[in-house]
Amino acid sequence: EDQVTQSPEALRLQEGESSSLNCSYTVSGLRGLFWYRQDPGKGPEFLFTLYSAGEEKEKERLKATLTKKESFLHITAPKPEDSATYLCAVQDYSGGSNYKLTFGKGTLLTVNP
Amino acid sequence: DTAVSQTPKYLVTQMGNDKSIKCEQNLGHDTMYWYKQDSKKFLKIMFSYNNKELIINETVPNRFSPKSPDKAHLNLHINSLELGDSAVYFCASSGASGGAKTQYFGPGTRLLVL
Repeated sequence: EDQVTQSPEALRLQEGESSSLNCSYTVSGLRGLFWYRQDPGKGPEFLFTLYSAGEEKEKERLKATLTKKESFLHITAPKPEDSATYLCAVQDYSGGSNYKLTFGKGTLLTVNP
Repeated sequence: DTAVSQTPKYLVTQMGNDKSIKCEQNLGHDTMYWYKQDSKKFLKIMFSYNNKELIINETVPNRFSPKSPDKAHLNLHINSLELGDSAVYFCASSGASGGAKTQYFGPGTRLLVL
C-alpha cells in the first residue's frame, strides 16, 4: 500500500526566511508525485507534478524536487500570502484506470510579516 | 468560470437522514473522484468513475452510493447519515494525459451531522 509522510506538520517562518517542506513516499511504482496548496475552507489547488527522480519544477517562489524516496518543496523568500497547507500525494501504477491519489497529512505553513 | 463545482457548499442535517451532494466539471475530463477530508485534514479517496464506469470503490460503507449520469457529473448519495460522516467531501476530475493524471478539485461540501 502506498504511503506518504510529510514533515514538519507545521512550520512558521518570517517573511523572507527560506525553508523546505519534506514528503517521503513509498510506492510500488511511481506514476507521479503531486504537490497541492490548500487554503482554509477551499479545495486543494494543483501546484506541480513530478514524474521521475532528478526532476525539478518551479513556480514563482516555489520549487519542487524529486528523488526515489522523497520530494522537497523549497520556498524562497516567502510572503504572507504563501501561508497555506501544502499537500503531497502520489499516484502509482495500480493498473487499469486506477488513478487514485494517496495523500500525506500536509504541512501547515504560516509566514509572518 | 468554475472548473469543478459542488453543491451544496454546506450541509447540516440530522442523524438518520438521507442526503445528496452534486458535482459538475466543465473541463472535458473523463474521470471523476470523491474524496473525504476528516477533521484532521486527511484526504482519502472514496470512489472514482471513468467514462461513467465505477473504477475505484475504497472501503466505504455501502450507505454511500455514487452515481454518474454522464462524464461531466458525479453525485454522492448518503443514506442513514451517522455522526462519523461529518467531514468535508471533495469532488475532483482528471483527463487523459498519458502517464500520471493531474486531478483538479472542487471547493468542497462541508457536511455536519447532528
